[in-house]
Amino acid sequence: GEQVEQLPSSLIVQEGASVLINCSYTDSASVYFPWYKQEPGKRLQFIIDIRSNMERKQTQRLTLLFDKKTKHLSLHITATQPGDSAIYFCPSLNVGDNSKLIWGLGTSLVVNP
Amino acid sequence: NSKVIQTPRYLVKGQGQKAKMRCIPEKGHPVVFWYQQNKNNEFKFLINFQNQEVLQQIDMTEKRFSAECPSNSPCSLEIQSSEAGDSALYLCASSLGLGVQDTQYFGPGTRLLVL
Repeated sequence: GEQVEQLPSSLIVQEGASVLINCSYTDSASVYFPWYKQEPGKRLQFIIDIRSNMERKQTQRLTLLFDKKTKHLSLHITATQPGDSAIYFCPSLNVGDNSKLIWGLGTSLVVNP
Repeated sequence: NSKVIQTPRYLVKGQGQKAKMRCIPEKGHPVVFWYQQNKNNEFKFLINFQNQEVLQQIDMTEKRFSAECPSNSPCSLEIQSSEAGDSALYLCASSLGLGVQDTQYFGPGTRLLVL
């Protein structure tokens, strides 16, 4: 079946550092890529998204890059804070498949003060 | 911020027992999804609805689960006979539609433990 892979599986950084989270997907028909953050005990929180007809999207400290040819995305987080500590997920969505999300295993980010 | 409501937050059942969980989607969201997230962060799509109609469900859901989204009532997902492997976080999400960039917004989940 279709898959999403996330690398690295975990990251530990000091407050203020920048981090890069990478995602790759296999479904060529995927057209939409929302990113979510899941803090312990809290709900999945939507943080940023990109459509397959875009290459870049930026909001505050987040920059999301998308390469359709290589089926690869990367999320750059600058000036990290302890509140950024969470598991980050980058599912893919194929509207032709009833828009169900296909998920990777997440990237665990720990930001130490 | 998501306003999807899920109840109960925690559910403990014995093997063979029924386990029922509910979801109130965001107001105005006609599409509802259920996913299962296990302790290894593996997500499994279970079923989705548009208004009251089932759009798609996996084989497991069809055989062992009962799910519905009645109008003017919470959506529900019920495992008919719980198994140890059903222990997981059950996530409900809602969206405005099925189109590109119809973001799915999630509830806090119901954590099921089957003893």
